Amino acid sequence: GAVVSQHPSWVICKSGTSVKIECRSLDFQATTMFWYRQFPKQSLMLMATSNEGSKATYEQGVEKDKFLINHASLTLSTLTVTSAHPEDSSFYICSARGDRGPETQYFGPGTRLLVL
Amino acid sequence: GNSVTQMEGPVTLSEEAFLTINCTYTATGYPSLFWYVQYPGEGLQLLLKATKADDKGSNKGFEATYRKETTSFHLEKGSVQVSDSAVYFCALTSNTGTASKLTFGTGTRLQVTL
Repeated sequence: GAVVSQHPSWVICKSGTSVKIECRSLDFQATTMFWYRQFPKQSLMLMATSNEGSKATYEQGVEKDKFLINHASLTLSTLTVTSAHPEDSSFYICSARGDRGPETQYFGPGTRLLVL
Repeated sequence: GNSVTQMEGPVTLSEEAFLTINCTYTATGYPSLFWYVQYPGEGLQLLLKATKADDKGSNKGFEATYRKETTSFHLEKGSVQVSDSAVYFCALTSNTGTASKLTFGTGTRLQVTL
């Protein structure tokens, strides 16, 4: 199946710094990209949805100035956690979708962020 | 709103045992239902799906039947293998096409031992 990569796979940073996570669809063009956050023993919570070339749509309760999403091309989206704090520590998962709905949605392996 | 409830894990089984992972849902309209599997160190992969009532999704020996009357989509496999050890997520979407968003359950970890 299609492959979605994320980089880095894990990152440790100091409180107050910004962290950028990249998500790439390696062998297909992603009409839509999604960013999820997963807490231990909890489900994937959708943070935002983005389409190439347009602004991301954030879910209720997600701070758009804290979590900056850039969907620069049909194969690349980035999530920047700005001025990270320990409560931002989590597992972040990106997902890329083709043009035929959920059956063509593929997930990256996730990025674990630890803010000290 | 939409929600998915899965049985809590971990589920530990011996190889060749029968597997059931329960999943029930709440949704508006007529949702499509999915099971995803996440192997260690990898992203979620679509395992099977069903798009309407009484449909049965199947793949790699796993099956799940869309039961509208009980709002359930339980995952079953007749004989599990060690290689089936993973986290399994039940999910739904109540829209179609590019506007649809997946709602996930909390995931159930399956550990199969020899």
